Amino acid sequence: GAVVSQHPSRVICKSGTSVKIECRSLDFQATTMFWYRQFPKQSLMLMATSNEGSKATYEQGVEKDKFLINHASLTLSTLTVTSAHPEDSSFYICSARQGGLNSPLHFGNGTRLTVT
Amino acid sequence: KQEVTQIPAALSVPEGENLVLNCSFTDSAIYNLQWFRQDPGKGLTSLLLIQSSQREQTSGRLNASLDKSSGRSTLYIAASQPGDSATYLCAVENSGYALNFGKGTSLLVTP
Repeated sequence: GAVVSQHPSRVICKSGTSVKIECRSLDFQATTMFWYRQFPKQSLMLMATSNEGSKATYEQGVEKDKFLINHASLTLSTLTVTSAHPEDSSFYICSARQGGLNSPLHFGNGTRLTVT
Repeated sequence: KQEVTQIPAALSVPEGENLVLNCSFTDSAIYNLQWFRQDPGKGLTSLLLIQSSQREQTSGRLNASLDKSSGRSTLYIAASQPGDSATYLCAVENSGYALNFGKGTSLLVTP
């Protein structure tokens, strides 16, 4: 079945540094991928929609200069948290859809980011 | 703006019991509704997807129903097992491929 691979699974970084998270669709092409963030005991919140070959679409309240998204190929999207701060510590999950509307979204295993 | 609510927030049942998880949403103009399972610190596993034209979907011991007009969905788990312990998330899609999630129901099945 469709698999979405996310790397790294866990990262600890110091304030002010940048962290890149990769999301790959392993056995299918995804023109669109989605990035979510989940705080403890909260629901997943959509951050941005990543479109292959074009600029990402960010949700209201998400800083595009802070969360840089690059969808350079049909199988890879990256999220870079720039100048990370402790409040950016969260669980980040990407997802991709193999087919069109009404096909299931497949999720990566997530990345636990801790900013010290 | 679509809002998704899941009740209860947490549930503990003894092994073998049948149980129902509830999900409600405010905007009935949905494309589909999906139930996910999330284990602690892990990503999401898709359990069932119900298209807007469907009333229910079944997979093994799981059955999900959808009443779009009333904005409700239920996930029925039959003969629960300790391995079913996880957080169950309901998510609806209105447009644009992205999902709106509820906060989840944390399920504990005790041996």
